[in-house]
Amino acid sequence: SAVISQKPSRDICQRGTSLTIQCQVDSQVTMMFWYRQQPGQSLTLIATANQGSEATYESGFVIDKFPISRPNLTFSTLTVSNMSPEDSSIYLCSVVTGAGGTQYFGPGTRLLVL
Amino acid sequence: AQSVTQPDIHITVSEGASLELRCNYSYGATPYLFWYVQSPGQGLQLLLKYFSGDTLVQGIKGFEAEFKRSQSSFNLRKPSVHWSDAAEYFCAGISSGSARQLTFGSGTQLTVLP
Repeated sequence: SAVISQKPSRDICQRGTSLTIQCQVDSQVTMMFWYRQQPGQSLTLIATANQGSEATYESGFVIDKFPISRPNLTFSTLTVSNMSPEDSSIYLCSVVTGAGGTQYFGPGTRLLVL
Repeated sequence: AQSVTQPDIHITVSEGASLELRCNYSYGATPYLFWYVQSPGQGLQLLLKYFSGDTLVQGIKGFEAEFKRSQSSFNLRKPSVHWSDAAEYFCAGISSGSARQLTFGSGTQLTVLP
């Protein structure tokens, strides 16, 4: 497994502003992902954070809204840009370690946009 | 399309009673399957996983799950539920040919009565 931390753990933001969420892993991992969990919903994959190249976004998510950085194999950031109340969600990063693609999740960042 | 279905949105059991949470999958080939638990205000914790081999897998916290190919199911069970088991449970699957696309079910909210 892996120990994953996220900052901030929660935040309240004003609409139109941006928030950058950090994800730190205690070991080098090849694959890192960002998910969104809207209130009362399941998890939806936003993108795969690729080290040294642009992130790979899922349908419905775009780089201008959710820019992602992955400067090394232990760290990634997700920015939620020009926020609206609809962006209020839990944002989770996850990593793949070991065989079979097991994903381990960080504690999440709880975002409320007013 | 690959999918994971959790038919029960909400289940209520009494403390000490047995528990079974249902999960059905639809994949072209045998997927890798997972159960995660999300306690209030927490991230996702991996309970157990199935890749191949023995169809009855043991997990943490006294949980087990049985893979049944004939029924396309991967139900989670616990013989005696504790009040601390109250949480949201997610079944998830990933194609054995992919290390990326983890598909989540919609989740089952478990309430435990004293």
